[in-house]
Amino acid sequence: DGGITQSPKYLFRKEGQNVTLSCEQNLNHDAMYWYRQDPGQGLRLIYYSQIVNDFQKGDIAEGYSVSREKKESFPLTVTSAQKNPTAFYLCASSYGGYDEQYFGPGTRLTVT
Amino acid sequence: SQQGEEDPQALSIQEGENATMNCSYKTSINNLQWYRQNSGRGLVHLILIRSNEREKHSGRLRVTLDTSKKSSSLLITASRAADTASYFCATDANRDDKIIFGKGTRLHILP
Repeated sequence: DGGITQSPKYLFRKEGQNVTLSCEQNLNHDAMYWYRQDPGQGLRLIYYSQIVNDFQKGDIAEGYSVSREKKESFPLTVTSAQKNPTAFYLCASSYGGYDEQYFGPGTRLTVT
Repeated sequence: SQQGEEDPQALSIQEGENATMNCSYKTSINNLQWYRQNSGRGLVHLILIRSNEREKHSGRLRVTLDTSKKSSSLLITASRAADTASYFCATDANRDDKIIFGKGTRLHILP
């Protein structure tokens, strides 16, 4: 059963804590992406990775960090440096940069 | 770095009517994609249209591309309640190995 999974679906944290969002895919895709979506808004790219052990900053990378140690996994850490972390976070994967992207179900992070 | 821009921002139509939404972009592209997002869910890919194609169909979906006007349209025929969602276009115009999403059109199908 191929797909892309994100966990957890809902996440609550206190301000000042780092939190890591999980993203796993078994589609054998090389590229993986993290997006942030605020209410009624489009997607903003946080980080992306075209290959294992390599990743690039997107448009809003400040306050976030990622790793890509395995092809299947691309976890995102929201650090305490992120000023407004409450949002809906979407992970996606694709064969290549311009190809169709497959999205996970998302993680809704609330920081109070 | 917004590239595609959808129009209108929101659209409400009666069930059974056709829904048309548009996407305009600024620079030349290799392909343009349309995605759907149901509330609180991930995006789902609908159609990819290449720059040398003018029209593509998938079920009740029809996508057109006019590269001279740098615009695309997504037509949903005979709309259903289940079509209520946000629709996003995405382009590869930045040539930096990734696609850029627009802000989306929120479509509401009225019963």
